[in-house]
Order: sequence, then structure tokens, then C-alpha cells
Amino acid sequence: EAGVAQSPRYKIIEKRQSVAFWCNPISGHATLYWYQQILGQGPKLLIQFQNNGVVDDSQLPKDRFSAERLKGVDSTLKIQPAKLEDSAVYLCASSSLQGGEQYFGPGTRLTVT
Amino acid sequence: AQSVTQLDSQVPVFEEAPVELRCNYSSSVSVYLFWYVQYPNQGLQLLLKYLSGSTLVKGINGFEAEFNKSQTSFHLRKPSVHISDTAEYFCAVSDRTSTDKLIFGTGTRLQVFP
Repeated sequence: EAGVAQSPRYKIIEKRQSVAFWCNPISGHATLYWYQQILGQGPKLLIQFQNNGVVDDSQLPKDRFSAERLKGVDSTLKIQPAKLEDSAVYLCASSSLQGGEQYFGPGTRLTVT
Repeated sequence: AQSVTQLDSQVPVFEEAPVELRCNYSSSVSVYLFWYVQYPNQGLQLLLKYLSGSTLVKGINGFEAEFNKSQTSFHLRKPSVHISDTAEYFCAVSDRTSTDKLIFGTGTRLQVFP
């Protein structure tokens, strides 16, 4: 079966610009996660969806970050406006049920200059 | 709240030597424990997990880990490493009531030399 797909793989933008990342989870996986992985740190959960509803967005900086999963399948994560400290790898993961094993995509590496 | 400490940021080792990557956790409630591996430019892959039962857990690629409740540790071991084991390894914890929320350590870079 195909894994979690993410695009783009790399993105370079200037601060104050906006950027969007796309994730397509494994087919049939109801739960989708977005993580932020800053260089030298472990991944940190930003937001979790169950189908098209938000389960946990407690660590999402809502003044600049937004995410949606309108049809309960693929998802987009947006940053507007970007700051230098947003430079990180953004990982998407999915699981077939809440609490199940999470399968990770390859990530999008964002550099903000 | 839980936290994870990976004591070594880098571990260099020669091929075919044994290796141990250390992980300690802190939690006021019972937890599940995980080890993930991240190869360059790839996402994380689950190596093994401890949910309950035997404290010695075997995973993929010849890795194993032992849960030690009294020392709040979950160290990862492999008796003989290969060049292909070169990667970043992350220890993670979740509490048993919210198994989705993984708290990761800062990672240990395992570098295997020929």
C-alpha cells in the first residue's frame, strides 16, 4: 500500500510570506497528525484530526498557523505570515484508528529567510 | 505531563559492535513507550513499542528494548550494528489515556563506521 505522501519536499520563503503544505494519508486512515520538527529536537504535535474534525490543536500557534481536512482525507497546513523560527521539518502522519500506530510521511523542510 | 530524555545526542560505533541508546522518561501516570528511527530525508518509522506484558520488547532490524519501571528507562540495544543502521533514533512516550499524543525525546544520532 502507498505510504503517507507530502508535498512539497522543500520550500524556501522569506519571513512574512505565506506557505502551505499538503498531506495525503494512507487510504482509509481516519486519524491524521501534523508535527513540527525543529533541527536538533524531536517532533512536536501541532494538530490532530479524526476524519474532518479537530481532536487536539492545543500546540498550534493559531495566530499564524491553520490546518484543514475538509473531506476527511487529505489535509493542508498553512503558515501566514511566516517567522524565522518556523524553519523546521513539517511531518504528517496517519493512523487507522485513534491510538493506533502512526505512519509518517517524508516531511516538508521549510526554510524561512 | 510526560517528558523524555535521551542522554546521548550522538553515538559513534564501529560496524558489528554492540550499541545501547539510552532513554529515560518522566510521568505521573502509566505510559506506553516507543522507539522510532528516522533515516536521512525520510519520515519516522516505528522500531518497537512497549504497551504491557514482558518488559523485554523485540522490534524490527534486530533491535530490542527493555522497560525498567523503577529506573524509568527504556534503553534500545542491538548486539551487532550494520552500516545501514546509521540514522536518528527517537524515544517517545504517551500516557495510557491519550495514546495519540506522543512526546518525543530530542533524538540520538547513531553513526556506524566501517
